[in-house]
Amino acid sequence: QKEVEQNSGPLSVPEGAIASLNCTYSDRGSQSFFWYRQYSGKSPELIMFIYSNGDKEDGRFTAQLNKASQYVSLLIRDSQPSDSATYLCAVGLNSGNTPLVFGKGTRLSVIA
Amino acid sequence: GAVVSQHPSRVICKSGTSVKIECRSLDFQATTMFWYRQFPKQSLMLMATSNEGSKATYEQGVEKDKFLINHASLTLSTLTVTSAHPEDSSFYICSARRQGFDGYTFGSGTRLTVV
Repeated sequence: QKEVEQNSGPLSVPEGAIASLNCTYSDRGSQSFFWYRQYSGKSPELIMFIYSNGDKEDGRFTAQLNKASQYVSLLIRDSQPSDSATYLCAVGLNSGNTPLVFGKGTRLSVIA
Repeated sequence: GAVVSQHPSRVICKSGTSVKIECRSLDFQATTMFWYRQFPKQSLMLMATSNEGSKATYEQGVEKDKFLINHASLTLSTLTVTSAHPEDSSFYICSARRQGFDGYTFGSGTRLTVV
């Protein structure tokens, strides 16, 4: 059974600090890796995706992938109170006809 | 972009009635859409994969006769919760992926409350 594991948190960081969110997955055949942000009562919104080993940066966000360790992480630099949300790690194949497998999410709280 | 519209955003219905939720891909064609359910403080749970022109594929434990899925066109999938009961109260979200577009796009979700 394909599984995606995340620490549920809450993860509390002070404003301006770096928030580090981690995720592991069980299916070695996974090809695509996503981070979604979900505010309470809202649907998830895509913030980062990564397909290859290494780092990928987009603004304050950096996704890191290590396929050998089956590990994905998301770093948020200069954390802001507006970053407070639940972050969902999702893993899938490159085919658009297969669903993503989601972790349970990590709740991040950025303290002003 | 890849926009997915979901309607209604909120619905309250009486126990025993049926509710239909629509999911539309606005600027792309989606041969496949996914339906998720999310209970408070829990993660997304995949209910079914909706395939245009064919039967949906349901996840284990999801009652196909209770959650009817119809994907009659390349831009519209509907989820009908039949004979709803209070335990069906949840946040229902659809999702689709535009070919060539990174990431799966989610609809805005439907908050269903059964009283």
